[in-house]
Parts: sequence; C-alpha cells; structure tokens
Amino acid sequence: GGIITQTPKFLIGQEGQKLTLKCQQNFNHDTMYWYRQDSGKGLRLIYYSITENDLQKGDLSEGYDASREKKSSFSLTVTSAQKNEMAVFLCASSIWDNYAEQFFGPGTRLTVL
Amino acid sequence: GDQVEQSPSALSLHEGTSSALRCNFTTTTRSVQWFRQNSRGSLINLFYLASGTKENGRLKSAFDSKELYSTLHIRDAQLEDSGTYFCAAGNNAGAKLTFGGGTRLTVRP
Repeated sequence: GGIITQTPKFLIGQEGQKLTLKCQQNFNHDTMYWYRQDSGKGLRLIYYSITENDLQKGDLSEGYDASREKKSSFSLTVTSAQKNEMAVFLCASSIWDNYAEQFFGPGTRLTVL
Repeated sequence: GDQVEQSPSALSLHEGTSSALRCNFTTTTRSVQWFRQNSRGSLINLFYLASGTKENGRLKSAFDSKELYSTLHIRDAQLEDSGTYFCAAGNNAGAKLTFGGGTRLTVRP
C-alpha cells in the first residue's frame, strides 16, 4: 500500500496570482496525474506525467503548468488565478499502463478572492 | 456529448434497502473504476474492473464492455454509505480517466 499527500489542503489566492500545488506519493508509481473538480461535477484531467521528466497535457491544461521533479512528486501551477474561482484539485498516481487503476490524494481546495 | 453518463444523479435510500447505480459509455471503454467521495472530498477506490463482476461486502460491480455499461449494486444500505459515487472510464484516449457526473446517495434511518 501507500499514500498520496497533497499540500496545502486549503489555498486562498488573489486574482492574477501564480499559485503552486504539490503532490507526493510513496506507492513508487511511475505515472502521476492532476485533476480538477468543480462543485457538484466529475473530475477532469489537467496534466499527467508518465514517468520522471515527462509531461502530457490533459483536456484542461490551458492556464496551468506542471512539473515532475522526481518520481515521487508532481507539482501543478495555476499561472494566473481567476477571480471567484473555486475548485478542488486532486492528484492521483498509477503504474504505467493505459488502463491502470488510479489512486487519489485528499485534494487541495482553491479559493480565489 | 459526455462519454460517461451516470444515473441517477441523486438517490435516497432507507437503511437496509438495496439499489443500483449505472454508468453508460458512449465510446469503447477498456476499464472502469468506481469511487465514493466522502464529505471531506476524499475519493475512495471501490472497484477496478476490466471485465466481469467483483464483489466486496455489500457492494457488487459489473462491467460489460460490449454493451457499454457498468453497474454498482449496494445491498443492505447503511448510513455510512452516504456520499457521492463516481464511475470513471479508462478508454482508448490514453491514461485519462473520464468521469461521470456522480450519484449523490443519501441513506436515511
């Protein structure tokens, strides 16, 4: 087994600010993901990384950057926070396989004032 | 349109009763995952299926890739089963999971 840790749990930002969210996993998984969840909706993929130093865009990559610093960590940056934006960002990891089971972290809740 | 259609969007059950949730897929789907999201927002893995059925306690899931649907059966519902249930499809689009809109389940005494 393993766990996924996301920091911070809550993030409050100002309009136009650059904000960084961090994710760590100790599953020793190759692949990591960032998803966004809007209130009452399902998750949508922002970025994923097949292995260290790899980066792949998801459906929602505009307005975000990502960085896979090492196998166990994957960061997401909101390049310019949008006023009144509220969403939860969830990190996940899996072995590398097109249809592998993904495991999720507890999420970071973003509020932009 | 949406690739994963989840129904119902909301469901209320009395303790001890049973029901089923369903996901319909509009494109070829190689695997399905079912999650429960609790009040704190954590996604709990319930099932991962590439085909067939799996059972875990009072929960049972089935996946028919040819008929493009998956079901999650909840038997003898308990208060702690309350939450939002999501299915997610793993399809030919690569590593992405495509999520349904969720079913908000409330179990009442």
